[in-house]
Amino acid sequence: AQSVTQLGSHVSVSEGALVLLRCNYSSSVPPYLFWYVQYPNQGLQLLLKYTSAATLVKGINGFEAEFKKSETSFHLTKPSAHMSDAAEYFCAVSDLGGGSEKLVFGKGTKLTVNP
Amino acid sequence: KAGVTQTPRYLIKTRGQQVTLSCSPISGHRSVSWYQQTPGQGLQFLFEYFSETQRNKGNFPGRFSGRQFSNSRSEMNVSTLELGDSALYLCASSVQGVTEAFFGQGTRLTVV
Repeated sequence: AQSVTQLGSHVSVSEGALVLLRCNYSSSVPPYLFWYVQYPNQGLQLLLKYTSAATLVKGINGFEAEFKKSETSFHLTKPSAHMSDAAEYFCAVSDLGGGSEKLVFGKGTKLTVNP
Repeated sequence: KAGVTQTPRYLIKTRGQQVTLSCSPISGHRSVSWYQQTPGQGLQFLFEYFSETQRNKGNFPGRFSGRQFSNSRSEMNVSTLELGDSALYLCASSVQGVTEAFFGQGTRLTVV
């Protein structure tokens, strides 16, 4: 079964600073990979996804992620944090086990942006 | 295009009761998946329905069940509620697989 590890349950950055949220997956076969964002009392919004095309994936709100097979990583970055980026971020991997595709999520990283 | 609609948004139930949550997918989407989100366990897959058939089920007790109707709307039911069932229940719809999944706002269930 697939699994995802997000390093750091809480990350704090200053407004304007680089955002780096880490995600590692466990798979010998490159899966589909996703980053979702969740604002308080809201559902999940897709930021970006990797589906075996370009390894550098650009998403919404200035976020991007790079798929690195050798490191089994899919870290999320944004050059300059904005106050509105404060939210919880989830990395997810597709898993075909059990008869159909499902998403397997990491535990999440809560991002705080300080003024 | 309307998004995924989950009703109700908030629900308070008593231990031992049962509850039914509803999910209306995006028009044209035939796959509906359900996830449970709790602070301790995070986001966990419950089940997935496609064209009224359950194609996949997560590791949850039989108290958790679901169904999908011919218009792709889905319901999930939890019987004999326990305090630990308190969670945000999220529904996601897609045309087929997970690469184009869209999530609803969720139903916040509190069991007292």
